[in-house]
Amino acid sequence: DAMVIQNPRYQVTQFGKPVTLSCSQTLNHNVMYWYQQKSSQAPKLLFHYYDKDFNNEADTPDNFQSRRPNTSFCFLDIRSPGLGDAAMYLCATSSGFSGRGSYNEQFFGPGTRLTVL
Amino acid sequence: QQQVKQSPQSLIVQKGGISIINCAYENTAFDYFPWYQQFPGKGPALLIAIRPDVSEKKEGRFTISFNKSAKQFSLHIMDSQPGDSATYFCAANPGGYQKVTFGIGTKLQVIP
Repeated sequence: DAMVIQNPRYQVTQFGKPVTLSCSQTLNHNVMYWYQQKSSQAPKLLFHYYDKDFNNEADTPDNFQSRRPNTSFCFLDIRSPGLGDAAMYLCATSSGFSGRGSYNEQFFGPGTRLTVL
Repeated sequence: QQQVKQSPQSLIVQKGGISIINCAYENTAFDYFPWYQQFPGKGPALLIAIRPDVSEKKEGRFTISFNKSAKQFSLHIMDSQPGDSATYFCAANPGGYQKVTFGIGTKLQVIP
């Protein structure tokens, strides 16, 4: 089945120690998104890629970076995790068809739960 | 600024009852209104979605009602079941792959 896969499902890191979260997709979608979701809150978009074009949200801290080496993979790098970065990180994809009136369903992965000690 | 306002934040419904979650938006450029269902420890999954050119969409026990003039939309879950217990997010985006704006979420608990 076509899907969005995130690894690892659970990640524990130490304060200030860089960490990388991975997302892969078999949907061949053009767009890949990274969201941060804290407990009892809505997902918050950090950035997205349309193909190789990177789009950063204005309020995303510089501590968060992303790489998309090819269509299938996208990585979230947290350069110096703080206690406030503990959250669920969600990867999502969409086809990227931007014609007027198009639906563009986002398909979410299961998320990576990040704990910062 | 919260562009999609969702209420209530929590909801308890008895099995067999109707669950109703309401959302309101401000941005008239929004052109697509999905509802996502999220179980604990899982990513959100699209439940049902509507475009503003229709006033209602029904899929099984789930119905979206849409009022374009009032800029409001709601999710109705008929014959609610314990398996429906989850957090529901309404959302909106201006079409295409543009940024989806989520509501704050409603935690639904269906009790036997």
